[in-house]
Amino acid sequence: ETGVTQTPRHLVMGMTNKKSLKCEQHLGHNAMYWYKQSAKKPLELMFVYSLEERVENNSVPSRFSPECPNSSHLFLHLHTLQPEDSALYLCASSQVTGDTGELFFGEGSRLTVL
Amino acid sequence: QQPVQSPQAVILREGEDAVINCSSSKALYSVHWYRQKHGEAPVFLMILLKGGEQKGHEKISASFNEKKQQSSLYLTASQLSYSGTYFCGTLGRDSGAGSYQLTFGKGTKLSVIP
Repeated sequence: ETGVTQTPRHLVMGMTNKKSLKCEQHLGHNAMYWYKQSAKKPLELMFVYSLEERVENNSVPSRFSPECPNSSHLFLHLHTLQPEDSALYLCASSQVTGDTGELFFGEGSRLTVL
Repeated sequence: QQPVQSPQAVILREGEDAVINCSSSKALYSVHWYRQKHGEAPVFLMILLKGGEQKGHEKISASFNEKKQQSSLYLTASQLSYSGTYFCGTLGRDSGAGSYQLTFGKGTKLSVIP
């Protein structure tokens, strides 16, 4: 138990579906992150929110839409995805004080796009 | 630009030592190390912030050579529980404090066998 909870753990969706991934952190951290983990590729930073404001957006396609309604919750809204978007999506949080600080990761949401 | 880790994979017998290297093509502000066991979330090991800094975590320690733009992770007297994939994450000196752009290497898969 890392203090970061992701749901659902597994998701299968068609290319025309709309779904959302949810992340909740119980650590009182001030930053939350979405990372994408694909086979044989490094962890890729997608979005970062600090104090509920988006501070990083690494040229992620618009079919991925993040939302951070408060400092404890982070969503990733998915629509019209492609099969190559199949991956493990990891949420993380940290307390930023100068450096990013220690990242606490959730167990991930395994997404399969058919 | 992502750091380069070596080796990509290593197999050890219990009690043996290993070194994992992480090299960057740019000046570094900090280096992070994480371990991910199969099917689990990555777990933080340590952060190195200063050139020449060394840190220890049980029988796992690391060093940061700022001049060479690299870090090494040392695992001594390995245990079965050390098995997993080890990732380094780097924060560039050009972004540094206040940046969230932690860039990860592809990982080193460590297998410890009895």
